[in-house]
Amino acid sequence: GQQVMQIPQYQHVQEGEDFTTYCNSSTTLSNIQWYKQRPGGHPVFLIQLVKSGEVKKQKRLTFQFGEAKKNSSLHITATQTTDVGTYFCARAQYNFNKFYFGSGTKLNVKP
Amino acid sequence: NAGVTQTPKFQVLKTGQSMTLQCAQDMNHNSMYWYRQDPGMGLRLIYYSASEGTTDKGEVPNGYNVSRLNKREFSLRLESAAPSQTSVYFCASSDKGTGELFFGEGSRLTVL
Repeated sequence: GQQVMQIPQYQHVQEGEDFTTYCNSSTTLSNIQWYKQRPGGHPVFLIQLVKSGEVKKQKRLTFQFGEAKKNSSLHITATQTTDVGTYFCARAQYNFNKFYFGSGTKLNVKP
Repeated sequence: NAGVTQTPKFQVLKTGQSMTLQCAQDMNHNSMYWYRQDPGMGLRLIYYSASEGTTDKGEVPNGYNVSRLNKREFSLRLESAAPSQTSVYFCASSDKGTGELFFGEGSRLTVL
């Protein structure tokens, strides 16, 4: 269907450990977006990937788009308590009129 | 520059009551969306509007109606609320050129 599958559902890490969340699709994606939602907050756009094999970095965050454009990952190096929240991937239809979200990965960071 | 503004932030309804969630954006975006968020299910698209005067169904439209009043405003109406509609509702808008979604702060609705 339209959905993207996201794993794991939850992740608990000690501050300083790394964290990775994965987003998978059974069909080829034209793009993948990542959002972060802090507890009690609203989703905030992080990045969009469109090219096969694309890798983008934002400070400690590394985003990858698979070569086959069917999967993506978000990796956080040396987590901090400010990274706590739920991370969602989302795919947009080619004309950006519909966005479909994964179920999210909830990250908890213990200080 | 307020971005996307939703009202109300909280609402409690009884089964069968009706209500309208209001959303307005000041970013001159063409596209606007209504999502609902339930635990463990991510965000599910209810309705969207690609431009003023047009609306279309998303993944979970049953029990809802929408109105794109003008370019700024997009409202979501529950005609006869049901407990299954207890959720957090987010309005969002996007600039078609960048594809980035901007979300409001959410409206927490409880139907008893």
